[in-house]
Amino acid sequence: NAGVTQTPKFQVLKTGQSMTLQCAQDMNHNSMYWYRQDPGMGLRLIYYSASEGTTDKGEVPNGYNVSRLNKREFSLRLESAAPSQTSVYFCASITLDRGLGYTFGSGTRLTVV
Amino acid sequence: SQKIEQNSEALNIQEGKTATLTCNYTNYSPAYLQWYRQDPGRGPVFLLLIRENEKEKRKERLKVTFDTTLKQSLFHITASQPADSATYLCALMDSSYKLIFGSGTRLLVRP
Repeated sequence: NAGVTQTPKFQVLKTGQSMTLQCAQDMNHNSMYWYRQDPGMGLRLIYYSASEGTTDKGEVPNGYNVSRLNKREFSLRLESAAPSQTSVYFCASITLDRGLGYTFGSGTRLTVV
Repeated sequence: SQKIEQNSEALNIQEGKTATLTCNYTNYSPAYLQWYRQDPGRGPVFLLLIRENEKEKRKERLKVTFDTTLKQSLFHITASQPADSATYLCALMDSSYKLIFGSGTRLLVRP
């Protein structure tokens, strides 16, 4: 089915460990986004990529890096995980010539202990 | 700073009634306002978009109003059903197409 695929779905890390969250979309969308969702705080933008080859910081970029590997894939890396990064991470994509509603993945639930 | 407020208390209504959810914002001039539905353990799903120069938008049982003077949007679900129970998120989109989200309002429709 067409959409946004995120892996893994669940992950537990120890403080200081690193990991990469993967996101791929098969809708030929130009722009991709990484959000985190914490209880009572809504979704907050971490990084985004308006088009292949570009990335920009969002509201809460500290502690994260991203790579827009190609048009389909946009990965989020935690170099040294901290308990404050415990959250649910969502990837989303959009293409402007097909409406402005974001398509979200099903999320990665990350716990840092 | 920019702020989006949605009622943090759950809205509990009887099946068949109209549910009305409110979204207020400050320090922002959005080009578009969007509403999403989110079920537990799932990603948000896009429902409706309304432009800054539009007053009202409808889609089946859903209706959204947008008052840029009051800086408020109302989201209505008519003839509500238990299957409409979910969290509904308001989001503002700027001219660069980034979304800023409210924290959502949980709707519970009783049979």
